[in-house]
This record gives sequence, C-alpha cells and structure tokens, in this order.
Amino acid sequence: EPEVTQTPSHQVTQMGQEVILRCVPISNHLYFYWYRQILGQKVEFLVSFYNNEISEKSEIFDDQFSVERPDGSNFTLKIRSTKLEDSAMYFCASGGKRGGTDTQYFGPGTRLTVL
Amino acid sequence: AQRVTQPEKLLSVFKGAPVELKCNYSYSGSPELFWYVQYSRQRLQLLLRHISRESIKGFTADLNKGETSFHLKKPFAQEEDSAMYYCALRFGNEKLTFGTGTRLTIIP
Repeated sequence: EPEVTQTPSHQVTQMGQEVILRCVPISNHLYFYWYRQILGQKVEFLVSFYNNEISEKSEIFDDQFSVERPDGSNFTLKIRSTKLEDSAMYFCASGGKRGGTDTQYFGPGTRLTVL
Repeated sequence: AQRVTQPEKLLSVFKGAPVELKCNYSYSGSPELFWYVQYSRQRLQLLLRHISRESIKGFTADLNKGETSFHLKKPFAQEEDSAMYYCALRFGNEKLTFGTGTRLTIIP
C-alpha cells in the first residue's frame, strides 16, 4: 500500500538557521498538507497546497515558512530562520480529492529540534 | 471557530472491558468527523469517519448533532488497542482540526 514518506526523521538545528523538511506524498494525490505538533500539545494545521499554490494557511504559517513542490514528487516545508518555539514534530499529509470525499494520509513525521 | 474537545488526556481500561473515548466539537454547520489513531512509534492513521458508518477493529462512533459529540466506543477492549486517539473535524475547507488526544492504555 502506498505511503507518505518524510525525511529526515529527526533534524537538529541551531536557532536562526534555515531548515527544509521533505515529504513525498502518495503519487496520485493532488492535495498536500503540513501539520505540526509541539510536544504535549495537539496536532495543528499549518498549510494546504493544491495546483501549485497555497490554498489555505494558518496563523502559525508566517513569513518564515514557505512550501514548494519543486519537482512534481517532493513537497517541502522551509523554515527560513528557526526559533526555539519551532521545535515540534512536523507531519506531511496528502489526499486525493478535495473536501469531504477523501481522507488525508499522514507521513511518519520529522522531529525538529532547535537549539 | 472550529474546536474539538477530548476531555480525557489519559484513559486506562482493563482488557475485555468496554471503552469509550469522548469527543465533543463546536461548529455551527455540519462538519465531517474523524477518529485517527497513533500506535507506538507509528504514524497517524485514520480509524474511522462518521460518513462511512462502519466498524473498524471493533470500534464505532456515532455523530450526535444534538450533543455535538462523536464518542468512540468498543465493547471489549484488547491489548493492541493501546494507543493515542485523536478526534478531528473538517468542514468545507480541507484542513483537519484535531483534539488534544486521549492516550488509551489497556491493562492486561
């Protein structure tokens, strides 16, 4: 069964550095998402992406964040200048259809630690 | 604003006993409700969604619009049910709004 994959599984970085988190969605899916989960807190929506553009973003997704689908298979989340509070588990998800007709399939997550 | 509340952070149940994980939501429209499960060291997986009205791994959940609840139930708990359970809501747009999760532990 196809799965969403994410790399790396764990990323450690210094405050102020740029990080890129990578995701390979399920191949025939059209909708892509990033969520994050700070330790001990709930999973929070960051951004959704469809047809090569952002379709929705949350308040968390400020100018320090960007997403890209550079080559038709990868889906990346970039944090330009990491802060301590960016430390979290970041989940990528993909879905085949818009809205209520399909579910979202999650990757295993990337644990980002900002020192 | 959409909100999902899972009042129990931790729940311990003896093997063979019934399980009920509570979920309440607040939204003025008719949202779609989901239960996701995360077993130890594994990814979030969809357990069930209210529109499919099916039973997965013995779990069921009924959407009660009057009480704005979507509680997850299983009549006889099994050890392999130990996991983190998240209730989630979606309406109109694509994003999922999650509750804080309940860690279910089944006592042998």
